[in-house]
Formats: sequence, C-alpha cells, structure tokens
Amino acid sequence: AQSVTQLGSHVSVSEGALVLLRCNYSSSVPPYLFWYVQYPNQGLQLLLKYTSAATLVKGINGFEAEFKKSETSFHLTKPSAHMSDAAEYFCAVSDYNFGNEKLTFGTGTRLTIIP
Amino acid sequence: GAVVSQHPSRVICKSGTSVKIECRSLDFQATTMFWYRQFPKKSLMLMATSNEGSKATYEQGVEKDKFLINHASLTLSTLTVTSAHPEDSSFYICSARIGVTEAFFGQGTRLTVV
Repeated sequence: AQSVTQLGSHVSVSEGALVLLRCNYSSSVPPYLFWYVQYPNQGLQLLLKYTSAATLVKGINGFEAEFKKSETSFHLTKPSAHMSDAAEYFCAVSDYNFGNEKLTFGTGTRLTIIP
Repeated sequence: GAVVSQHPSRVICKSGTSVKIECRSLDFQATTMFWYRQFPKKSLMLMATSNEGSKATYEQGVEKDKFLINHASLTLSTLTVTSAHPEDSSFYICSARIGVTEAFFGQGTRLTVV
C-alpha cells in the first residue's frame, strides 16, 4: 500500500524567504509523485510531478521538488515566497499499476506568507 | 492544460432530497474519472473510480447506494447524493486522467445540506 506523510500541517514564512514543504512517501514500487496546490473553495492545480525521469523537478510558479529515493522524500521548495503562494499544498503518490491509477494524498500543508 | 469543469460550484439542499453534481472533461476524453470528498481542513478521500460504460468502483466504506455515479459518456461523469443529510455536507471534487501521469481536477462543489 502506498502512503504519503506531510510534516507540518501549517507552515509560515516571510515574504521573500525560502519555502520548504516536506513530503515523505511509502510505496512498494517505484512511485510517481505529485505536488498540488489548492486555493480556497477551488479544486487542485498541479504544481509539478516526478515520473522516474530527472530527480529534480521544476514546476510552475517557481516551485521545484527533488526526489530522493534513499530518504523516500519529495520535498517542495521555492527560493523566494510571494504573497500569492498562500494556499494549501498536497503531496500525492501513485504507484502506477495499469488499471489502478489512484492518487493517494497527504493531509496537506497550509502555507501562510507573512508580509 | 486540459480542463475539467464541475457544476455546480455550490449547492444548498434540504435534508432528504437528492443532489446531482456533474463533472465534464471539456477538451479531452476521459475513460476514467475519480470522485473525491474533502472534509474541512482535511485531505482528499477517494470515494470512487468512475469508468465510462461500466459500473463505478467504490472505495471501502463508501455507500454505493448513497453516492450514485454514472459515467455515460467519455466526457461526463455524474455523482448523485441521494437522500442527503447534514453529515453529507462536504466539498466534492472530481478529476480525470490523461494517460497515467496526468490528473486534472474540477473546481469542486460545496454541498450544504440543511
């Protein structure tokens, strides 16, 4: 069974500071990993994904994440936080098995940006 | 990217009535769609996998007679909450897959049962 753990349900950073959102996964097969962002009362938007190619993945809005197999981690980072980054962030894993393409989500991290 | 449209975005209904939520893939065909439920300040819980032309596959603990799913075409899946009660109030989100690594989400439906 696959699972995702997001450390820290709330993270606050100052505008312009580094953003680091943590995600650790568990999967019995090589995983596909995703980060999604959700704004209030909206659906999810894909930030980036890892699908067994380059371990450092660049996404939209200046975010990137690095897949570290030895640490079973896929932490999300952004060098300089912007006020518009305030949202809920979800890490998700999919151990792709043909016909069973389910996503398992972490519990989410609410990011607050301090002016 | 691909667009998944969910309607309505908000609905308030009386206890005991049924509510239908639509999920459409606007510019692609989706043989498989997924329905999630999100509780306040919680993660997304997969309710069921909707397959075009066949019965939906429900996750453990989800009442199939309560949450009726129909995937009548390659671009439309519907979720009907039957005999809704206040505990069914939640945020429901659908998603559709393109290939195996790309999932697009609808904007969600806020259901309030009074």
